[in-house]
Amino acid sequence: GESVGLHLPTLSVQEGDNSIINCAYSNSASDYFIWYKQESGKGPQFIIDIRSNMDKRQGQRVTVLLNKTVKHLSLQIAATQPGDSAVYFCAEKTDFGNEKLTFGTGTRLTIIP
Amino acid sequence: NAGVTQTPKFRILKIGQSMTLQCTQDMNHNYMYWYRQDPGMGLKLIYYSVGAGITDKGEVPNGYNVSRSTTEDFPLRLELAAPSQTSVYFCASSYSGYSNEQFFGPGTRLTVL
Repeated sequence: GESVGLHLPTLSVQEGDNSIINCAYSNSASDYFIWYKQESGKGPQFIIDIRSNMDKRQGQRVTVLLNKTVKHLSLQIAATQPGDSAVYFCAEKTDFGNEKLTFGTGTRLTIIP
Repeated sequence: NAGVTQTPKFRILKIGQSMTLQCTQDMNHNYMYWYRQDPGMGLKLIYYSVGAGITDKGEVPNGYNVSRSTTEDFPLRLELAAPSQTSVYFCASSYSGYSNEQFFGPGTRLTVL
């Protein structure tokens, strides 16, 4: 069936470097893609979203890129900080107004001091 | 605002016991959700509600029940607990289905022995 998956389960990055977290999706009908951050012992927290008719969207220190040709989504975090250590999930929504999100399995990002 | 609150934080159940996980939000959100997160996995939607008196099944509803008598509260009931229900349960809310940002509670860690 349709699913949202991630390329790498873990990622270690030196503090101050940029991080890139990847996500593959298979549902070409998805209208929105969303990134969530989950710190240890906490619930997920919304980071940024992108609509399927966009290729790029920037937030504060984060950029999401969408490549619909290869059904690939990435989250770039600039100048990573210790507080960026968390599990990052991509999620998809099949249409605007649809209340349900489908989450991927997550990538654990560890920042090396 | 307290946001989304969940009780209890931890619970151990014996097989066959029942319990209710409480969830309350003070943001006047119409939409509420229950997810479960198994170790190393993403979130699976159990049930959701688009408003008081309206509930619907998500991806993994078997073994659970919900009710939504008020906008603020969305309790999740486990009947006849089974080891397969050992998981971390998250409640979330959003203003509407048009919002990609769901606000999550801190979670309830449930172990069924």
